[in-house]
Amino acid sequence: AQSVSQHNHHVILSEAASLELGCNYSYGGTVNLFWYVQYPGQHLQLLLKYFSGDPLVKGIKGFEAEFIKSKFSFNLRKPSVQWSDTAEYFCAVNKRDNTDKLIFGTGTRLQVFP
Amino acid sequence: GAVVSQHPSRVICKSGTSVKIECRSLDFQATTMFWYRQFPKQSLMLMATSNEGSKATYEQGVEKDKFLINHASLTLSTLTVTSAHPEDSSFYICSARDDFVARDRGPSNTEAFFGQGTRLTVV
Repeated sequence: AQSVSQHNHHVILSEAASLELGCNYSYGGTVNLFWYVQYPGQHLQLLLKYFSGDPLVKGIKGFEAEFIKSKFSFNLRKPSVQWSDTAEYFCAVNKRDNTDKLIFGTGTRLQVFP
Repeated sequence: GAVVSQHPSRVICKSGTSVKIECRSLDFQATTMFWYRQFPKQSLMLMATSNEGSKATYEQGVEKDKFLINHASLTLSTLTVTSAHPEDSSFYICSARDDFVARDRGPSNTEAFFGQGTRLTVV
């Protein structure tokens, strides 16, 4: 069955540190890839997405992610985190078929300390 | 971006009662909506796909009679947890895609917008 793995369950960083959150998926077909963020008490919000083209995608708030097809990975990065980045981050995969279902990873809780 | 509103945000109910959760797309039409369940420190698990004017499609292992879904209009889907038990306590989230955008780009290439979730506690 298709799955999405986020290996970092809880990450603690100081402000200005660099961030990389891992995401791997198991589906072998064509996929769309997403990173969502959930700030405390708020909706899931889309950070960035990859559909096609340049595998390095830039999202909001200085985040970026790189799709490496050979590794089935879509890791999220930010060169310098801020306290306001404290949130839960979810990677999600959408098979490009008629089902259009989003499959989510288990999430990574990021805590940034000033 | 588009807004999806869920109501209520929190609900506490007694064991054996039923609870209805609403999911509305406020500024777009959504023929299809999705219902997810999230356990603490776990992923969002897709429960069912809600289809306007037809029956919902449930994921494997999700009880249809337990989680009743009704999608009566292009902007409203409801999830009713029937005869709730403490093990049904969870965080329920809905999502929807804009029909207009999906027709143009294809559903797989259309961003899904999420409601704020409903925290259900069954006592």
